Amino acid sequence: AQTVTQSQPEMSVQEAETVTLSCTYDTSESNYYLFWYKQPPSRQMILVIRQEAYKQQNATENRFSVNFQKAAKSFSLKISDSQLGDTAMYFCAFRGGGADGLTFGKGTHLIIQP
Amino acid sequence: NAGVTQTPKFQVLKTGQSMTLQCAQDMNHEYMSWYRQDPGMGLRLIHYSVGAGITDQGEVPNGYNVSRSTTEDFPLRLLSAAPSQTSVYFCASSLTPDLYNEQFFGPGTRLTVL
Repeated sequence: AQTVTQSQPEMSVQEAETVTLSCTYDTSESNYYLFWYKQPPSRQMILVIRQEAYKQQNATENRFSVNFQKAAKSFSLKISDSQLGDTAMYFCAFRGGGADGLTFGKGTHLIIQP
Repeated sequence: NAGVTQTPKFQVLKTGQSMTLQCAQDMNHEYMSWYRQDPGMGLRLIHYSVGAGITDQGEVPNGYNVSRSTTEDFPLRLLSAAPSQTSVYFCASSLTPDLYNEQFFGPGTRLTVL
């Protein structure tokens, strides 16, 4: 079974700063996807970015990018030019080859201070 | 498209009562799943379905039943509610069970069992 670990329960940065959220995972599978989900106070789960394990190039979506280190089983999320609307819980998630859905980390509460 | 819809948004039950959480999607998705989210935890998979008539257990299935009689609907039943089932419940769907497909989440149901 795979596990996903987020070691930072809470982080706080000033608006416009860059922040990096950490995620490590453990799996014996070779083909999988990794995801970052954002959960604002509305509790809606929003996909931020995803990375295929076979792709060496790190995924980027506007201000959001990842640092995927497959050998180290690390998948961090970098948010550049942080905005007040980025305040939310962020969950790292793993999906492997089975049909049994996503495995989530415990989340990081990110607070952007004005 | 309404996407993934869940009803009700909030529910309070007494121990021993039964109820059904409704989930529907209008995207013709084959794959549907239920997760629960507890404080300080990520989402955990309860049950999932890869198509009409096919369901399987996830990580935390005890106390819950599901059925999938149509592609659109995937209800979650609590036969005898317990305080340990107090949680926020999310339904999610994706086009197919394949790992690369994005999962779309409903808005969640907050359930309190007294």
